[in-house]
Amino acid sequence: DTGVSQNPRHKITKRGQNVTFRCDPISEHNRLYWYRQTLGQGPEFLTYFQNEAQLEKSRLLSDRFSAERPKGSFSTLEIQRTEQGDSAMYLCASSLEDRGRETQYFGPGTRLLVL
Amino acid sequence: AQRVTQPEKLLSVFKGAPVELKCNYSYSGSPELFWYVQYSRQRLQLLLRHISRESIKGFTADLNKGETSFHLKKPFAQEEDSAMYYCALRRWGGSEKLVFGKGTKLTVNP
Repeated sequence: DTGVSQNPRHKITKRGQNVTFRCDPISEHNRLYWYRQTLGQGPEFLTYFQNEAQLEKSRLLSDRFSAERPKGSFSTLEIQRTEQGDSAMYLCASSLEDRGRETQYFGPGTRLLVL
Repeated sequence: AQRVTQPEKLLSVFKGAPVELKCNYSYSGSPELFWYVQYSRQRLQLLLRHISRESIKGFTADLNKGETSFHLKKPFAQEEDSAMYYCALRRWGGSEKLVFGKGTKLTVNP
């Protein structure tokens, strides 16, 4: 499968626990994005990487959230001390820089439920 | 502020009828507009972008800068068009974040 993959697909955790999600982008895509989608809403931008550099972070990304992309390949999104409000679908997308004409390809998402 | 508004949460039409999904935007610069679609149990995927000026699966969308709209249209809806549709924008020539609307769920009835 050459598409964007995300693991796990589902995660149930208790409030206060830490969780980590992984995203594997399409091979050779140098840009990687994280979005969050809650019920009835469209995806909301969280952060993005160009290669290993994190270039932008949304105000939605509180200090409990951290994202990494070591070596510019896969990325992880960690949420510390989860809260019930963190329950959402976390989407990853990747793209290949193409002078502003790129297309973002989305993964299937990781659905998080915080009890 | 960047904002995308999709006024219809739900839209239901009969097969063969025309369909129009509305999208209005607010953006201070020059935006690039997109329509993404999510079929049942599938991932979000790009349907079309305004710079391409092409028809995908019979759908077209024209950017109207005067009305700040990017409505999606299809003259004859098919049952397989039933899906969630999201309008999105980003800065023209930019490669950063997409700003999405809340989406419209289209149901095409037989």
